[in-house]
Amino acid sequence: DQQVKQNSPSLSVQEGRISILNCDYTNSMFDYFLWYKKYPAEGPTFLISISSIKDKNEDGRFTVFLNKSAKHLSLHIVPSQPGDSAVYFCAASANNYQLIWGAGTKLIIKP
Amino acid sequence: ETGVTQTPRHLVMGMTNKKSLKCEQHLGHNAMYWYKQSAKKPLELMFVYSLEERVENNSVPSRFSPECPNSSHLFLHLHTLQPEDSALYLCASSQDFPGTSYEQYFGPGTRLTVT
Repeated sequence: DQQVKQNSPSLSVQEGRISILNCDYTNSMFDYFLWYKKYPAEGPTFLISISSIKDKNEDGRFTVFLNKSAKHLSLHIVPSQPGDSAVYFCAASANNYQLIWGAGTKLIIKP
Repeated sequence: ETGVTQTPRHLVMGMTNKKSLKCEQHLGHNAMYWYKQSAKKPLELMFVYSLEERVENNSVPSRFSPECPNSSHLFLHLHTLQPEDSALYLCASSQDFPGTSYEQYFGPGTRLTVT
């Protein structure tokens, strides 16, 4: 059973609007969450992270929100740009141990 | 070279072949990883090496054999693979494992097709 789920395989957003990518998890022991971005023919690259002691972390156009009671996190990208078109992976870890990954959401930014 | 490199980028092999995937990291990291990514599935961790010692082996079939001769190099030796082993194989490195930094740096991957 998947401990980290990204239920939307793909998402299409107009350029300039907000992109919201969602991730749900089942393991209450997870204490650190990360988002990675992957372009075709490249490996995933780290984007932004959040510790379970926080509920929000912001880095430029990217903000990650964590709702521990709902076991849900989301990545907001605003404004969305064409270069944001990629596959976004959510990952989680418990006690500094191995990362557990979601299946990814393909984000398409329309001009 | 910078970051994490992987060779070859593409590999087609028959079920009776023996081949090896190579990964090299130029980041001075102490931990290296092999992941398998099948289409529309989460990344699956296969092996973790920390300071050249294998610290994690996630129930991977013995037809996959890792080797870490030093902290900069990681190999994945393949033999008698099955068609379902066709996937993208990603190598990654991080400062430590377990460690205070969860951030992993990935190579571009090797696209493996088993015929």
